[in-house]
Amino acid sequence: AQSVAQPEDQVNVAEGNPLTVKCTYSVSGNPYLFWYVQYPNRGLQFLLKYITGDNLVKGSYGFEAEFNKSQTSFHLKKPSALVSDSALYFCAVRDVSGTYKYIFGTGTRLKVLA
Amino acid sequence: EAGVAQSPRYKIIEKRQSVAFWCNPISGHATLYWYQQILGQGPKLLIQFQNNGVVDDSQLPKDRFSAERLKGVDSTLKIQPAKLEDSAVYLCASSLNRGNTEAFFGQGTRLTVV
Repeated sequence: AQSVAQPEDQVNVAEGNPLTVKCTYSVSGNPYLFWYVQYPNRGLQFLLKYITGDNLVKGSYGFEAEFNKSQTSFHLKKPSALVSDSALYFCAVRDVSGTYKYIFGTGTRLKVLA
Repeated sequence: EAGVAQSPRYKIIEKRQSVAFWCNPISGHATLYWYQQILGQGPKLLIQFQNNGVVDDSQLPKDRFSAERLKGVDSTLKIQPAKLEDSAVYLCASSLNRGNTEAFFGQGTRLTVV
């Protein structure tokens, strides 16, 4: 069955330090992988996606993510965190071998400390 | 380009009452999704449409929830009768297709059942 896991409920990082938000997935075929951010009382905003090709994908606001097929992971990264990056982050996966369901992880709250 | 429109933004009803939510996706988007997001959790896929056909509704509580997408454009999600545990934000999203394109989200409808 298709699933996506975000093992950390919360990640704390100091401003200026690199950040990583983890995501692992399980699909029966090849995955399409996505990251979204949600600010308080706002809808989800798309950050970046992996479809095929280069394992390192770059997205909005300086974020990037690395696809690792052997570890079935798609971790979100940023070289230098900003206080304004504090938000809720969601990983999503689409299983292209089935019904193309678009499902989300449970979310990770990122807190960047000044 | 106009985004995904949802209405109403907020709704308070008593348990056992009925409620309906409306969604107008981005023009030309074939795939439409309804998610339920309980506070502090990730979005849970309720139903996914491809044009006016249902692709997946495996997590839709069909004894009380129903959804339709007439003419493959607008969609409505109905709950009848509502339960206390239905209190959540209901998110509508759309994507160009069900393949490698990301979904765009509306602001959501916050439902409180008292």
